[in-house]
Amino acid sequence: EPEVTQTPSHQVTQMGQEVILRCVPISNHLYFYWYRQILGQKVEFLVSFYNNEISEKSEIFDDQFSVERPDGSNFTLKIRSTKLEDSAMYFCASSIRTSGRISETQYFGPGTRLLVL
Amino acid sequence: AQSVTQLDSHVSVSEGTPVLLRCNYSSSYSPSLFWYVQHPNKGLQLLLKYTSAATLVKGINGFEAEFKKSETSFHLTKPSAHMSDAAEYFCVVSDGEVDDKIIFGKGTRLHILP
Repeated sequence: EPEVTQTPSHQVTQMGQEVILRCVPISNHLYFYWYRQILGQKVEFLVSFYNNEISEKSEIFDDQFSVERPDGSNFTLKIRSTKLEDSAMYFCASSIRTSGRISETQYFGPGTRLLVL
Repeated sequence: AQSVTQLDSHVSVSEGTPVLLRCNYSSSYSPSLFWYVQHPNKGLQLLLKYTSAATLVKGINGFEAEFKKSETSFHLTKPSAHMSDAAEYFCVVSDGEVDDKIIFGKGTRLHILP
């Protein structure tokens, strides 16, 4: 069964450093998402991406964040200058969502645990 | 605006007894509703989803949920708990028509007692 994959599974970085989190969505999916889950808190939406551009972003997704689909398979989240409060589990998701109003299911990757020291 | 409330942060049941995880939602439109499960150190796995078809939805691992519009609820149930059901469960709402994002509840941690 196809699944969303994410690398790395764990990342430790120093405050102020740039990190890139990578995701390979399910191959026929067209919509891509990033979420984060700070330890002990709920999963929060960061950004959605379709047709090579951001379709929606939350207030969390400020200028230090960016997303990119550099090739036909990868979908990346870049954090330019990490802060301590960026420590969290970051989940990538993808969905088909071709047409209509019914929300297509989002399939999640296993997550990348980011620790900023 | 859409929102979802999971009424219990922790639920403990004995193995072999029924499970009830409660979820209430708020949405401006007819919502799509999902339950996801997260086992320790694992990603989010879809248990089941409701998208305006049958109001009683059956999912994986013997779980099911019933959409009750009058009560704005989408509670998750299972007749008989198994030790492997111990995990965090998230109720999720999306109205799809307005935006792409889905809203997660705070989660309910299910503990199974031997």
